[in-house]
Amino acid sequence: EAGVVQSPRYKIIEKKQPVAFWCNPISGHNTLYWYLQNLGQGPELLIRYENEEAVDDSQLPKDRFSAERLKGVDSTLKIQPAELGDSAVYLCASSLRTGGVETQYFGPGTRLLVL
Amino acid sequence: AQKITQTQPGMFVQEKEAVTLDCTYDTSDPSYGLFWYKQPSSGEMIFLIYQGSYDQQNATEGRYSLNFQKARKSANLVISASQLGDSAMYFCAMSRTGGFKTIFGAGTRLFVKA
Repeated sequence: EAGVVQSPRYKIIEKKQPVAFWCNPISGHNTLYWYLQNLGQGPELLIRYENEEAVDDSQLPKDRFSAERLKGVDSTLKIQPAELGDSAVYLCASSLRTGGVETQYFGPGTRLLVL
Repeated sequence: AQKITQTQPGMFVQEKEAVTLDCTYDTSDPSYGLFWYKQPSSGEMIFLIYQGSYDQQNATEGRYSLNFQKARKSANLVISASQLGDSAMYFCAMSRTGGFKTIFGAGTRLFVKA
């Protein structure tokens, strides 16, 4: 079974430029998460989807960040315009909604460097 | 509010020896789950082990075991017979039952010496 796929793996951009990250979750997983991980820290949730619906986006900086999961499968996270402080790893994870505690499976992440 | 605390920024262990990585948590929810993830330098978070708050026995997965002490709110990860490939960051995490968001600790970097 294929794991969570993310692309690109690495991205270098200049500040004020836009950038987009793509995630394909594990087949059949209806819950999808985007996390931000700063160097030396644990991941922090940006947004959580259940199917197409964003059920928790309270930590997403909506002035510059946006996300979509149009068909309830793939998802895209966008930053426009990027700032120097956005340099981090962006992790995507997915899980199967069971009503209990869900184990999340992560992709390899996208390392973003904003110059 | 929920909180995860990992007090060991870095740990060294000799190859083939056992090591314990500490994790304490704080929650007022009666039903929750605790996780450990491994993050090698490649960046991917690898799920290692899960413990439910109502589980009577400590979870085990191969060389990984979780020392769950509910009254002390601790969920330490024990890695037996350490291998060089175990060198990585290890994160403790917690989630409430029902699919609410997972919170992570700051991590512990483990170095396995040959």
